[in-house]
Amino acid sequence: GAVVSQHPSRVICKSGTSVKIECRSLDFQATTMFWYRQFPKKSLMLMATSNEGSKATYEQGVEKDKFLINHASLTLSTLTVTSAHPEDSSFYICSAYPGQRETQYFGPGTRLLVL
Amino acid sequence: KNEVEQSPQNLTAQEGEFITINCSYSVGISALHWLQQHPGGGIVSLFMLSSGKKKHGRLIATINIQEKHSSLHITASHPRDSAVYICAAAPYSGGGADGLTFGKGTHLIIQP
Repeated sequence: GAVVSQHPSRVICKSGTSVKIECRSLDFQATTMFWYRQFPKKSLMLMATSNEGSKATYEQGVEKDKFLINHASLTLSTLTVTSAHPEDSSFYICSAYPGQRETQYFGPGTRLLVL
Repeated sequence: KNEVEQSPQNLTAQEGEFITINCSYSVGISALHWLQQHPGGGIVSLFMLSSGKKKHGRLIATINIQEKHSSLHITASHPRDSAVYICAAAPYSGGGADGLTFGKGTHLIIQP
């Protein structure tokens, strides 16, 4: 089956620093990648949709200057949390959509802890 | 905005029992996903369906578009089925190409 990887799986950083999370589709090309966020015991929530070579579309309430998304190729999207604060601590999950009405394939997630 | 509701929130059952998890949504969709999330967080996509019924091993998913309702069934449940099961609705227009709206999940524990 299709595989999506995320790196790192876990990161701890100091408040004020920036953290980059990578999402890669390993054996298929993804026309679209999605970034989701999950707080403890809460639903996953869509943060943004990114298409290769174009600007990401952010959901209402998600700060685009804080959560920078770059979709450099059909197999790689990155999410950078800039000037991280403790309230950014969360579980970030990406998914990749190969097109042709297939399902989305999810990455294993990245757990971010901001001290 | 689509509201996705799941029930029950928590379910504990004995090994071998037949399990049903329900999902309802408020707005018409192009597809509904059932996902499985294990401790540690990784998510696996179980089904994507837009009509009828799908079966994979001991898992069965059904959807009733008119009723805006879907169910996930597990036959002959096993402790390794213990996980959080999440339904997620895809809006019209893309099938898999649009961001999903998620239910809160059903925390399933199967006891030996």
